[in-house]
Amino acid sequence: AQRVTQPEKLLSVFKGAPVELKCNYSYSGSPELFWYVQYSRQRLQLLLRHISRESIKGFTADLNKGETSFHLKKPFAQEEDSAMYYCALKLHNQGGKLIFGQGTELSVKP
Amino acid sequence: NAGVTQTPKFRVLKTGQSMTLLCAQDMNHEYMYWYRQDPGMGLRLIHYSVGEGTTAKGEVPDGYNVSRLKKQNFLLGLESAAPSQTSVYFCASSYDAGVSTDTQYFGPGTRLTVL
Repeated sequence: AQRVTQPEKLLSVFKGAPVELKCNYSYSGSPELFWYVQYSRQRLQLLLRHISRESIKGFTADLNKGETSFHLKKPFAQEEDSAMYYCALKLHNQGGKLIFGQGTELSVKP
Repeated sequence: NAGVTQTPKFRVLKTGQSMTLLCAQDMNHEYMYWYRQDPGMGLRLIHYSVGEGTTAKGEVPDGYNVSRLKKQNFLLGLESAAPSQTSVYFCASSYDAGVSTDTQYFGPGTRLTVL
């Protein structure tokens, strides 16, 4: 069965420290993965997708099919990065629905 | 463009009451989705629609019904609300889920409390 797991509920780091938010998935097909971010009192918004291989706001994520992972990384965390982060897997044969992980709350302290 | 809007923003219901949540999008998107967000569980899909007049069940459809009579609107109904339906409800839409660059755009959410 398809599943997305984010093992950390809360990740707390100091400003300027590196950040890695973990995401593992289980899917028999070819995965299409996303990271969504939800800042306080705001709606979810797309941060990045694996197919684009881009860096957004200093964040990158690489799909590792061998380890079935899609970890989100940033070399130097900023206070404005504090938010809830969700990893999501897209299911193409089911209307493109997204399977979300449980979410990781990132807290960046000054 | 307003994007994806949701009505109402907040609502408190008593057990057994009914209500309808409205989602509207002005981006001419074909696909629309209803999710619920609960602490520690992320977002879970309730129902979705791949076009006007069509709906399908998601992961947690029990206790909910939906309708997509107009392309721009997707309604979520609770016929007899239960405390377990206390949650934040998000609507999302996308243009073409079959395209790899397709993105789901989310509404601001509706916070529902069932007493």
